[in-house]
Amino acid sequence: ILNVEQSPQSLHVQEGDSTNFTCSFPSSNFYALHWYRWETAKSPEALFVMTLNGDEKKKGRISATLNTKEGYSYLYIKGSQPEDSATYLCAFTWGTYKYIFGTGTRLKVLA
Amino acid sequence: DGGITQSPKYLFRKEGQNVTLSCEQNLNHDAMYWYRQDPGQGLRLIYYSQIVNDFQKGDIAEGYSVSREKKESFPLTVTSAQKNPTAFYLCASSASGNNEQFFGPGTRLTVL
Repeated sequence: ILNVEQSPQSLHVQEGDSTNFTCSFPSSNFYALHWYRWETAKSPEALFVMTLNGDEKKKGRISATLNTKEGYSYLYIKGSQPEDSATYLCAFTWGTYKYIFGTGTRLKVLA
Repeated sequence: DGGITQSPKYLFRKEGQNVTLSCEQNLNHDAMYWYRQDPGQGLRLIYYSQIVNDFQKGDIAEGYSVSREKKESFPLTVTSAQKNPTAFYLCASSASGNNEQFFGPGTRLTVL
């Protein structure tokens, strides 16, 4: 059974702290790794799609890395702000239209 | 504005009734998806459609049915055969099978 695990499940950080989360996925049959941000009462929003081992993507203060050989991706947030509070989902695709989502990391940034 | 709409936001159903959840997109995407979210679990795929008049079962299709008569629309029917239908349902679309997905705001279904 293919499984995607995210850690930690939740965390609280102070405004200005940097933080990171992990997404672990099967290292075989890899097509792509997606990161989404899901704010309360809103729709999940795509952050990154990564396809190549060693990929690094950046959007503002948020960046992500990918290691397909060992099956993990890190999401980093530099200088967390209250508006970064959200659930961060990763999704592993192992074939066309074959998505498996993790349960998410719930981030709360305290002002 | 391009995007995905789902209606209604909240839906209540009596046991034994079928109910249809609406999903519309104006992004001109070929692919559309239905997911279910339960507490403590990741999004699970119910059905997906690659193109009009075609759809495939996902991981938890039992008790659900879909249609894709128009590119813009992908309604989901929760039938009385679904044993535990109370959940949050998300619709999504993508340009193709491995592109980023765009999500709707979701429908929360409660069976009374």
